[in-house]
Amino acid sequence: EPEVTQTPSHQVTQMGQEVILRCVPISNHLYFYWYRQILGQKVEFLVSFYNNEISEKSEIFDDQFSVERPDGSNFTLKIRSTKLEDSAMYFCASSEGLNSYNEQFFGPGTRLTVL
Amino acid sequence: LAKTTQPISMDSYEGQEVNITCSHNNIATNDYITWYQQFPSQGPRFIIQGYKTKVTNEVASLFIPADRKSSTLSLPRVSLSDTAVYYCLVGDMQSSGSARQLTFGSGTQLTVLP
Repeated sequence: EPEVTQTPSHQVTQMGQEVILRCVPISNHLYFYWYRQILGQKVEFLVSFYNNEISEKSEIFDDQFSVERPDGSNFTLKIRSTKLEDSAMYFCASSEGLNSYNEQFFGPGTRLTVL
Repeated sequence: LAKTTQPISMDSYEGQEVNITCSHNNIATNDYITWYQQFPSQGPRFIIQGYKTKVTNEVASLFIPADRKSSTLSLPRVSLSDTAVYYCLVGDMQSSGSARQLTFGSGTQLTVLP
């Protein structure tokens, strides 16, 4: 069964450093998403991406965040200057199409720890 | 977005049927009801989706009354591995030319006991 993969599984970084989280969505999917979940809290939407551009973004997704689809398979989330409060699980998701409330397939997540 | 309300937690025993009800009084005409499951340190996983009446798949059933102001996720004969957080989501199915974000609430922590 096809699945979304994410690397690394765990990233530890110092405050102020840049991090790039990587995702490989399911190959025939067209829509891509990033969510995050701070420990013990809700899953929060960050950004959605379609046709090589951002579709929607939340208030969390400020200028420190960016997304990119650098090639035909990878989808990345970059945090330019990490803060302590960026520590969370980051989930990538993808969905097939738009004609119905499509199922989003989530990856296993990257645990980001900012020290 | 329609606000959803579901119990914070539920306990059950192995082999029992579990019903988790979600209230969504302000559901809109174009909204679908979707349930996701999340195990600790994993991403959410789609369980089932419906618009009205009853939907059944190999994992669960979803009951939606005629007024659609609530829905009930039914898990038959749960096992220990069904211990997870279950989220009820309500969202617009209309195509808007953009990808659709999912809005998760706090969910229901289901604990299955031996």
